[in-house]
Amino acid sequence: DAKTTQPNSMESNEEEPVHLPCNHSTISGTDYIHWYRQLPSQGPEYVIHGLTSNVNNRMASLAIAEDRKSSTLILHRATLRDAAVYYCILMYSGGGADGLTFGKGTHLIIQP
Amino acid sequence: KAGVTQTPRYLIKTRGQQVTLSCSPISGHRSVSWYQQTPGQGLQFLFEYFSETQRNKGNFPGRFSGRQFSNSRSEMNVSTLELGDSALYLCASSLEGLAGQETQYFGPGTRLLVL
Repeated sequence: DAKTTQPNSMESNEEEPVHLPCNHSTISGTDYIHWYRQLPSQGPEYVIHGLTSNVNNRMASLAIAEDRKSSTLILHRATLRDAAVYYCILMYSGGGADGLTFGKGTHLIIQP
Repeated sequence: KAGVTQTPRYLIKTRGQQVTLSCSPISGHRSVSWYQQTPGQGLQFLFEYFSETQRNKGNFPGRFSGRQFSNSRSEMNVSTLELGDSALYLCASSLEGLAGQETQYFGPGTRLLVL
């Protein structure tokens, strides 16, 4: 399975934008880039996903590099509720026989 | 639309016992996947069920099994419990399964403690 690399932790201030990076240098052309987050004591929550083009939704934006070897999740205005572990995951378009492969993710700390 | 529900939320068992966990997916979703989360190993895939058939399986021993009913509800069973089975067990549902375009919706999990 293609692997992703994320920083262990990042810190940001409330009401400021947050850019969470993810490297996936072995990504294949048919892998989708997904982001999930897990708040304390909860199950993971879907954030956003994309294939080649940048994507926006009400929660965040996903910026995908032109060569697709890296991507960035952008939280435009972080709140304390955004403090969570963020996982960048690659999902093969044909189906993931290994389920969602969660790495260690990035622990995002938001300072008031 | 109601989210994914899991019962029970908390469970305490002793070594050697067996346990059954339940997951009710979002209405209309046919795929249910199960994951184990521990501090040491993180989130690990157990198996996926689709239309009552196990379609994918992770690298767990045969003590871990599951099934899916015709209404898409799923159960997971762990027999002969070991201390190392203490974990948060999560299920996730989706319309069609684990393809790249699909979004997985997770339940709150069942926290199992084995004494």
